[in-house]
Amino acid sequence: AQSVTQLGSHVSVSEGALVLLRCNYSSSVPPYLFWYVQYPNQGLQLLLKYTSAATLVKGINGFEAEFKKSETSFHLTKPSAHMSDAAEYFCAVSEFNDMRFGAGTRLTVKP
Amino acid sequence: EAGVAQSPRYKIIEKRQSVAFWCNPISGHATLYWYQQILGQGPKLLIQFQNNGVVDDSQLPKDRFSAERLKGVDSTLKIQPAKLEDSAVYLCASSLGVQETQYFGPGTRLLVL
Repeated sequence: AQSVTQLGSHVSVSEGALVLLRCNYSSSVPPYLFWYVQYPNQGLQLLLKYTSAATLVKGINGFEAEFKKSETSFHLTKPSAHMSDAAEYFCAVSEFNDMRFGAGTRLTVKP
Repeated sequence: EAGVAQSPRYKIIEKRQSVAFWCNPISGHATLYWYQQILGQGPKLLIQFQNNGVVDDSQLPKDRFSAERLKGVDSTLKIQPAKLEDSAVYLCASSLGVQETQYFGPGTRLLVL
């Protein structure tokens, strides 16, 4: 079965600094990959998804992620962090009907 | 376009009591999902419906959890009897079809005392 590992349960960056959230996956078939963001007391909101088209995927709020098959990675980046980016971020992999989420990475942005 | 609606938003019950959660998906979405999100973890799929049929309920604790989507639109998830370890946020999501983008509701936060 597919699985996701998010490296680092907490990441802290300064406002304006690069954001890098790491995600590695395992899948027996070409996967669909997703990044979701969750703000406190809210549901998950899709940031971006990879569906075997372009390997560099651009999402909302200035985020992007690159699919690297050789590294089985799908890391999320943003060039310049904003205070409003503070939230929990989840990477997910989908095979057929089954979506599996990582444990999440909490991003803190310091002024 | 209205999003996924869930109610109640919060629920506190004692162990061995029963509880039910309601979800109304985005109009036209054939696929509906219920997830359990325990504090500090990612969401775990409990059950997936395609219209009013169950696609996957392999991770649903069937001795105490049940779910239905009788008319292929809204859905209810029930726990009876509840255990302490059921304390979690229960998320409902819907999508146009399988492997389509899932849209999540705000969740129901359950505390079992």
